[in-house]
Amino acid sequence: EAQVTQNPRYLITVTGKKLTVTCSQNMNHEYMSWYRQDPGLGLRQIYYSMNVEVTDKGDVPEGYKVSRKEKRNFPLILESPSPNQTSLYFCASRLRQGYYEQYFGPGTRLTVT
Amino acid sequence: GQQLNQSPQSMFIQEGEDVSMNCTSSSIFNTWLWYKQDPGEGPVLLIALYKAGELTSNGRLTAQFGITRKDSFLNISASIPSDVGIYFCAGLRGSQGNLIFGKGTKLSVKP
Repeated sequence: EAQVTQNPRYLITVTGKKLTVTCSQNMNHEYMSWYRQDPGLGLRQIYYSMNVEVTDKGDVPEGYKVSRKEKRNFPLILESPSPNQTSLYFCASRLRQGYYEQYFGPGTRLTVT
Repeated sequence: GQQLNQSPQSMFIQEGEDVSMNCTSSSIFNTWLWYKQDPGEGPVLLIALYKAGELTSNGRLTAQFGITRKDSFLNISASIPSDVGIYFCAGLRGSQGNLIFGKGTKLSVKP
């Protein structure tokens, strides 16, 4: 089944403790991105990657890092999480630039205390 | 930066009623997408629009790409309880092909 998977689905952590949220897609998509969803603010893009080893900042990149060493994986790294990063996070992918039908993962609900 | 204004923010309707929602922008978009997010899930693509004036249907859903390329509309006919969720519009932005999302319309349907 074609899908985007994320792990973990739920995470509660403390301020300053590094964490990684994994994202994987099995559709051979070149383009992947991360969003956060907050009440009243909709979906905001954190980082995106147009292909392996090519990443760039979205609208709200502060406090996040990403890497794209393999085509299928695009982990989101919070080096020193803070309470304002408590949010619902979505990974998404699509085939490549020029193909705009984007598919989302199931989401990761992160709470930072 | 570019903004998408999606309205209404929320709707409470009776089962069987038709629903309309829209997105507008001060900038031109070349592509409009409509997504639905069920509670506890990620957004799922409903309809993609690629040409100004295009009208596309997916079952009871119909979406239109505005002639000015600055707006899009989504209509749901004869709503049912499983239509409950948040509907997002998204427009294509810039040469990198990033999508910018509206803030969503939360739909509640009373049986």
